[in-house]
Amino acid sequence: KAGVTQTPRYLIKTRGQQVTLSCSPISGHRSVSWYQQTPGQGLQFLFEYFSETQRNKGNFPGRFSGRQFSNSRSEMNVSTLELGDSALYLCASSLTGFNSNQPQHFGDGTRLSIL
Amino acid sequence: GNSVTQMEGPVTLSEEAFLTINCTYTATGYPSLFWYVQYPGEGLQLLLKATKADDKGSNKGFEATYRKETTSFHLEKGSVQVSDSAVYFCALGDLGSARQLTFGSGTQLTVLP
Repeated sequence: KAGVTQTPRYLIKTRGQQVTLSCSPISGHRSVSWYQQTPGQGLQFLFEYFSETQRNKGNFPGRFSGRQFSNSRSEMNVSTLELGDSALYLCASSLTGFNSNQPQHFGDGTRLSIL
Repeated sequence: GNSVTQMEGPVTLSEEAFLTINCTYTATGYPSLFWYVQYPGEGLQLLLKATKADDKGSNKGFEATYRKETTSFHLEKGSVQVSDSAVYFCALGDLGSARQLTFGSGTQLTVLP
């Protein structure tokens, strides 16, 4: 069974640009969550999607947005990039997310570097 | 709000030593608790979980018990191997679900041969 796939693995952008990251969940999983990992702030929850609807949102500015498609694939977008957006962005999927016996499975992440 | 406090690292042990990584949490209600492991250049892998008080999660020789009275979920392993070298994260899932995790700061473990 294929795991969570994130593309691209690495990305270099400059300040002010925008970026789109992609996540394909495990087949059959309908809940997709996004996290930002930085050395200073650690792992922080960005948002979670289920059935094409944002169900939960973390404490990030509106420059961070996402969406989910009917096949459960998800994208996140960051506009007007800042140096502080340099991070590893992790995507995780679970069946529905309603049951704690359905843990999240993580992808290997997209490493975003802002110059 | 929810929070997870994890033992500061880095931790360096010799092979076959006993491992304990402390984790305590603050949460309303009855959260689910998880340990994840991250190897260099990779995402997080679920190591073990516990969903209610006194549950013991175990996997690959690692164990952790959900202690409601002390709000703790300490990770233990009786005999570590070099291949256990990684970063370990304690995490909390809100309201019994696992879709919005609150993570601890992570503990870097290095096991020397």
